[in-house]
Amino acid sequence: QKEVEQDPGPLSVPEGAIVSLNCTYSNSAFQYFMWYRQYSRKGPELLMYTYSSGNKEDGRFTAQVDKSSKYISLFIRDSQPSDSATYLCAMSAAGGGYNKLIFGAGTRLAVHP
Amino acid sequence: NAGVTQTPKFQVLKTGQSMTLQCAQDMNHNSMYWYRQDPGMGLRLIYYSASEGTTDKGEVPNGYNVSRLNKREFSLRLESAAPSQTSVYFCASRRTGMNTEAFFGQGTRLTVV
Repeated sequence: QKEVEQDPGPLSVPEGAIVSLNCTYSNSAFQYFMWYRQYSRKGPELLMYTYSSGNKEDGRFTAQVDKSSKYISLFIRDSQPSDSATYLCAMSAAGGGYNKLIFGAGTRLAVHP
Repeated sequence: NAGVTQTPKFQVLKTGQSMTLQCAQDMNHNSMYWYRQDPGMGLRLIYYSASEGTTDKGEVPNGYNVSRLNKREFSLRLESAAPSQTSVYFCASRRTGMNTEAFFGQGTRLTVV
């Protein structure tokens, strides 16, 4: 079983829709949770970062962490065609496990006008 | 500011050949990573290096070796390439400490025939 599970999609939505992307994980030591965005034929870039549980908002993007359920989410409001990309969740543990950064499979999102 | 630089960008190998993928970062980061990305599999960690002089296995280390030559450089070696190693390889680096982003190179597209 992979430590991080993410539905690869693809997910196709109309412009303006609210998008929900999710990951589940099995390692209870994970404390740092990240979302990366990857455009075609490019390296991933950090979109949002959360530590432990709770919500974080940045413009149209909201990241949620539910450690009790081992479940994280990324919400995109008012989605735009420019949001079309692959979204990858990533996690690492605290302390000595911090340096081991594990990614999910990535969800491919297409936002059509 | 170059960030993370990978060479080569593209490579075709015959089964059984060897090669080394090079990665260098100019951000003075302690941690460096090698990932492979395959369709539907996301980024899978091959090896990582928490600091100069240390390396650790990731999720899929078999068939690979790494060298952390100095703080800037982290190379990935395929001793005897196999078609199953056809993939896109990404190098990343990250500063030690909380709330730190991993920066990725542009990737190396490797085909083993």
